[in-house]
Amino acid sequence: AQKITQTQPGMFVQEKEAVTLDCTYDTSDQSYGLFWYKQPSSGEMIFLIYQGSYDEQNATEGRYSLNFQKARKSANLVISASQLGDSAMYFCAIHGAGSYQLTFGKGTKLSVIP
Amino acid sequence: ETGVTQTPRHLVMGMTNKKSLKCEQHLGHNAMYWYKQSAKKPLELMFVYNFKEQTENNSVPSRFSPECPNSSHLFLHLHTLQPEDSALYLCASTPTPRLENTGELFFGEGSRLTVL
Repeated sequence: AQKITQTQPGMFVQEKEAVTLDCTYDTSDQSYGLFWYKQPSSGEMIFLIYQGSYDEQNATEGRYSLNFQKARKSANLVISASQLGDSAMYFCAIHGAGSYQLTFGKGTKLSVIP
Repeated sequence: ETGVTQTPRHLVMGMTNKKSLKCEQHLGHNAMYWYKQSAKKPLELMFVYNFKEQTENNSVPSRFSPECPNSSHLFLHLHTLQPEDSALYLCASTPTPRLENTGELFFGEGSRLTVL
C-alpha cells in the first residue's frame, strides 16, 4: 500500500517569489515514481514533473523542481519565480513499479498574490 | 485543446435519473481510467480499462457502470445515484496500463456531477 501526505491545505506566495509545496510518502516498494500535478479551476489535471526512486538527481522542468530526499521520504515541489497563473491546486502522487494505479494526496491550494 | 475530452462538463441529476458521462481520447492510448474527486478527499481510482477490457474495479458500487467500446472511448453510466456521489469525475489515459518511465496520466477536464 502507498500513501501520500500533503500537510499544507493552502499556501500564499508573492508574485515572482519561490515557493515550496510539501509532500511526504510511504511505500513498501523498492522501485516507485513520484509525480506532481496541477489542477486549475477548470478541473483538468496537468502533469508537472516526475521523479523516479532510482534517479540520483532531482528532477527539473522549467520553473518546477522536485526536492527528492529518499531517506526522509519526501518529494517537495519547488516553484521558482511564481506567476499569477500558478494559482491552482497541486497534487503529489506515487505509483509502484509496474503498477497502473496512482495514489494521490489531498492537495495544496496555492494562491499567488500580485 | 486537450487530448482527452469529457462531456458533459456539468451535470445535475435526480436520484432516480439515468445519465452517462463520456470520455474520448485522441492520443492513441490503450489504457483509460475513471477517477472520482470529492471535496477535500484525494482522487480515487474507480476503473481501469486496457485494450477495452476492464482490469480494475476499485470496489465501486454497482450504480456506476463503465463501458469501453474501443480504446478511444470510455463511458460511465449512472443510475440511482446518491447525493454523496456528487463529485468531479475525471477520465484519464496512458499508452499502456503499466506506468513505466514517467508514467504520466493524461487527464480530461472532468465532468462535475451534482446529485439532488
